[in-house]
Amino acid sequence: KQEVTQIPAALSVPEGENLVLNCSFTDSAIYNLQWFRQDPGKGLTSLLLIQSSQREQTSGRLNASLDKSSGRSTLYIAASQPGDSATYLCAVEETSGSRLTFGEGTQLTVNP
Amino acid sequence: DGGITQSPKYLFRKEGQNVTLSCEQNLNHDAMYWYRQDPGQGLRLIYYSQIVNDFQKGDIAEGYSVSREKKESFPLTVTSAQKNPTAFYLCASTSPRTGGIGYTFGSGTRLTVV
Repeated sequence: KQEVTQIPAALSVPEGENLVLNCSFTDSAIYNLQWFRQDPGKGLTSLLLIQSSQREQTSGRLNASLDKSSGRSTLYIAASQPGDSATYLCAVEETSGSRLTFGEGTQLTVNP
Repeated sequence: DGGITQSPKYLFRKEGQNVTLSCEQNLNHDAMYWYRQDPGQGLRLIYYSQIVNDFQKGDIAEGYSVSREKKESFPLTVTSAQKNPTAFYLCASTSPRTGGIGYTFGSGTRLTVV
């Protein structure tokens, strides 16, 4: 059974810092990996999708990498801002449309 | 704009009552999903449907029921058999035939037992 782990569970940084969020998964036979952002009491907003054949994806200040063989993904946030404060969730999809398996998330606080 | 609409945003259930959560999408996605989120826990899959008139149990299906009569709609009923229904419920969709497009989520329904 696929298991997804996110480290750290919580992170507090001063504004302007570059930071890395980690995600690991136990079964490397995945189809996609997707990073989401969740604000308190809200739904999930998709940040980046990495297909299994890709190594990384970038969107603005966000960069996500994928190493399938080691079962790891990282989300890099450059020049963090208070508006980045949220919970970040990593999820893996094993086959197209099968389901998403989620980690428990990293709660990020960026202090002004 | 295409997306997923969940309603209501807040729902209160009395003991022994069945309630139904609505999920509608206009993305032309074939597959739809219901997840439950509890504080301090990750999202857990309740039910999913990859095609109209067909659905499968997820990891925590007991006390829940679904139907998929239309491609656009996937309502979730929380029955009186669900002993601890207070949680945040999220609906999602994707298109397995297209592949590689990721999942889209709704804004959620917060259910509270009173």
